[in-house]
Amino acid sequence: AQSVTQLDSQVPVFEEAPVELRCNYSSSVSVYLFWYVQYPNQGLQLLLKYLSGSTLVKGINGFEAEFNKSQTSFHLRKPSVHISDTAEYFCAVSDLRYGGSQGNLIFGKGTKLSVKP
Amino acid sequence: DAMVIQNPRYQVTQFGKPVTLSCSQTLNHNVMYWYQQKSSQAPKLLFHYYDKDFNNEADTPDNFQSRRPNTSFCFLDIRSPGLGDAAMYLCATSIRQGLNTEAFFGQGTRLTVV
Repeated sequence: AQSVTQLDSQVPVFEEAPVELRCNYSSSVSVYLFWYVQYPNQGLQLLLKYLSGSTLVKGINGFEAEFNKSQTSFHLRKPSVHISDTAEYFCAVSDLRYGGSQGNLIFGKGTKLSVKP
Repeated sequence: DAMVIQNPRYQVTQFGKPVTLSCSQTLNHNVMYWYQQKSSQAPKLLFHYYDKDFNNEADTPDNFQSRRPNTSFCFLDIRSPGLGDAAMYLCATSIRQGLNTEAFFGQGTRLTVV
């Protein structure tokens, strides 16, 4: 069965510092990976996704992620964070029972990023 | 402009009293999804509709039902809410279920059970 593990439930960081949010997945076949951001009492906004091709994926708000098949990871990075990046971040994998549908997702438990001045 | 609209944003219901959450979309998408997100947990898919074809996840409790009267609207009915059903409920849509079709999420409805 597919699963997603986000190792850090909370990540505090100072403004303008770099950050990495870790995500590992479990799947025996091809995977399609996503990072979403959720601000308090809001829905989910897609940051970036990996479907195929280049393993380095760039998304919105200056975020990027690297797909590493050998380590089954898809870590999210930003070289310099802002206060406005404070939010919860979810890693997800497409449920392959539905052919890679971007709406049928299996999410990790999330990482709360807290950016301090 | 909002494309996936969930009403209300906040809903308070009494223990055991049926409640309905609403989702509408202006995208004319074929697929609509409902996710449940409990506090500090991952969003979890409850079910989805592909047109009128209803697909229930195996572990979705019988207490949860859904209706899709037309393309634009989809409802989540909780027949007898318990305290454990308090959560954020997220609706999403996609034009179809394919690899290159992006899903769009609504703002969510936060349900409180008292």
